[in-house]
Amino acid sequence: ELKVEQNPLFLSMQEGKNYTIYCNYSTTSDRLYWYRQDPGKSLESLFVLLSNGAVKQEGRLMASLDTKARLSTLHITAAVHDLSATYFCAVDPGTASKLTFGTGTRLQVTL
Amino acid sequence: GAGVSQSPSNKVTEKGKDVELRCDPISGHTALYWYRQSLGQGLEFLIYFQGNSAPDKSGLPSDRFSAERTGGSVSTLTIQRTQQEDSAVYLCASSWGGTQETQYFGPGTRLLVL
Repeated sequence: ELKVEQNPLFLSMQEGKNYTIYCNYSTTSDRLYWYRQDPGKSLESLFVLLSNGAVKQEGRLMASLDTKARLSTLHITAAVHDLSATYFCAVDPGTASKLTFGTGTRLQVTL
Repeated sequence: GAGVSQSPSNKVTEKGKDVELRCDPISGHTALYWYRQSLGQGLEFLIYFQGNSAPDKSGLPSDRFSAERTGGSVSTLTIQRTQQEDSAVYLCASSWGGTQETQYFGPGTRLLVL
């Protein structure tokens, strides 16, 4: 059974600081997705990582994938309050594209 | 453009009643997914439809849960004899259907079983 773990579960950080969220998964996969969820809202797609070494960047967020280590990271640079949300990684282990989600990391950026 | 839509947005029901949740995927998307989000279990896959193929029902938690997709478009998730543990947000997603395609999520239906 595929397991996807994120850490930390909760992250409080000041504006302007940098931090990294980690996503570990237990089985071979080269398809990993990052989503953002605001309170009471649905999931918004952030990044799709489809190969070992893939790196994607959008604004202050950068995601990377190491399939050999079964690890993805979401790096936050110079955080701003608008980034406060819950971030989920999700892994697709096969051809069916049904996603297994991590536990989520609730990010709170304080002014 | 129009995204994935779901109805109702909120549903309160009594234990033992049946409920139907509806999902309208993005036009042209051949793949449709149902997920459930609850405090205790996080985000869980329920069922997956791809074109005219038999659905992948491997995530359905019990035989009280069923889903259908008519005409390759709209989908309905039915929960019979609801239980309190069915309370959750039910999310629908759709994609173009190939592997490696991003799934786009709807706003969800918040179900509360009293």
